[in-house]
Amino acid sequence: AQTVTQSQPEMSVQEAETVTLSCTYDTSESDYYLFWYKQPPSRQMILVIRQEAYKQQNATENRFSVNFQKAAKSFSLKISDSQLGDAAMYFCAYRSARDAGTASKLTFGTGTRLQVTL
Amino acid sequence: EAGVVQSPRYKIIEKKQPVAFWCNPISGHNTLYWYLQNLGQGPELLIRYENEEAVDDSQLPKDRFSAERLKGVDSTLKIQPAELGDSAVYLCASSDGDTNTDTQYFGPGTRLTVL
Repeated sequence: AQTVTQSQPEMSVQEAETVTLSCTYDTSESDYYLFWYKQPPSRQMILVIRQEAYKQQNATENRFSVNFQKAAKSFSLKISDSQLGDAAMYFCAYRSARDAGTASKLTFGTGTRLQVTL
Repeated sequence: EAGVVQSPRYKIIEKKQPVAFWCNPISGHNTLYWYLQNLGQGPELLIRYENEEAVDDSQLPKDRFSAERLKGVDSTLKIQPAELGDSAVYLCASSDGDTNTDTQYFGPGTRLTVL
């Protein structure tokens, strides 16, 4: 079974600074997808960024980028020029590329609460 | 385009009472998921539908939980009877089912409190 670990329960960053959230995962599969979701206090889970395991190039979405290290099974999220609206819980998630039975479910980490200070 | 719609947003009931949650997925999404999110935890899958068929319900506690998606569009998740430990947020998500591009989009959730 796949597991996702987020070892940072809470992180804090000053506005306009850069912060990196860590995520590691365990899997025996070679083809899969990784995601970062943001969950603000209103609780709507929003997709931030996704990465296909077969792609060597790290995904980027505006101020959000990932550092995907497949051999190390590491998938960190970097937020540049942090804004007050970035304050939220951030969840790392894994999904198998297979589409059979339980394979397509998302397996989430326990989350990292990000605070953004002035 | 409207997102995933869930109702109610909040529900408070006494233990042993029944409760139902409703979800309407994004138009055209044939895959629908129900997740359970306990406080301070990431969501965990309860059941996944492909159209009206439940293709993964291995984590659904079938003694008290049931779900349906009769016409392959909106879905209902029911708990009967509710227990104190069922207090949590119930999230619905949908996707277009394309394995290559599949991204799950989540609704706002229903926060259930069982007294």
